[in-house]
Amino acid sequence: GAVVSQHPSRVICKSGTSVKIECRSLDFQATTMFWYRQFPKQSLMLMATSNEGSKATYEQGVEKDKFLINHASLTLSTLTVTSAHPEDSSFYICSASPLDEIQETQYFGPGTRLLVL
Amino acid sequence: GQNIDQPTEMTATEGAIVQINCTYQTSGFNGLFWYQQHAGEAPTFLSYNVLDGLEEKGRFSSFLSRSKGYSYLLLKELQMKDSASYLCAVVRDDYKLSFGAGTTVTVRA
Repeated sequence: GAVVSQHPSRVICKSGTSVKIECRSLDFQATTMFWYRQFPKQSLMLMATSNEGSKATYEQGVEKDKFLINHASLTLSTLTVTSAHPEDSSFYICSASPLDEIQETQYFGPGTRLLVL
Repeated sequence: GQNIDQPTEMTATEGAIVQINCTYQTSGFNGLFWYQQHAGEAPTFLSYNVLDGLEEKGRFSSFLSRSKGYSYLLLKELQMKDSASYLCAVVRDDYKLSFGAGTTVTVRA
């Protein structure tokens, strides 16, 4: 149980285009989903927290207009990188906290590798 | 602010023991996780400590001292498949996670 999927697993796009990444909790409902970014040999950095039906909360320094988050249901959150640039190339990982577990618990998706040319 | 330190790299021999230390200075503390992450993959849960002391789970054990802001992950009977990055993550006041940069462990035959 507690499986989180992400789609796509890998995406290459041209500079200036927008890219949407989906995060789904497959066998549980999630109160909260989190979006992280990880550059090579660096730590996971929390970008934003999303709760179903409400606006996402962004970490300091993360542009909310550039990284659009929609949390349409208890099993799906999407991250859209708008007008992507090469510096947005990174590994994007989502996680989800199940409704019926302690709020610190997060299950991670397999990640999406974004390359912006 | 959040400051979480762990060594960058460690190397050990198959069958040996390795201890990965993590020290933290954070604005709040509600527990500490250890995750394993293989290259290009998502982190997977190893352990969670919220009280002082040692938690043992098979070949992996994790220790926490809240007063010292210190934790370690102990890997015993190392196997080649244990070669990975190990991430220390502190649960903040708001119950979100702050991660250390990770320790890359290389197991040699």
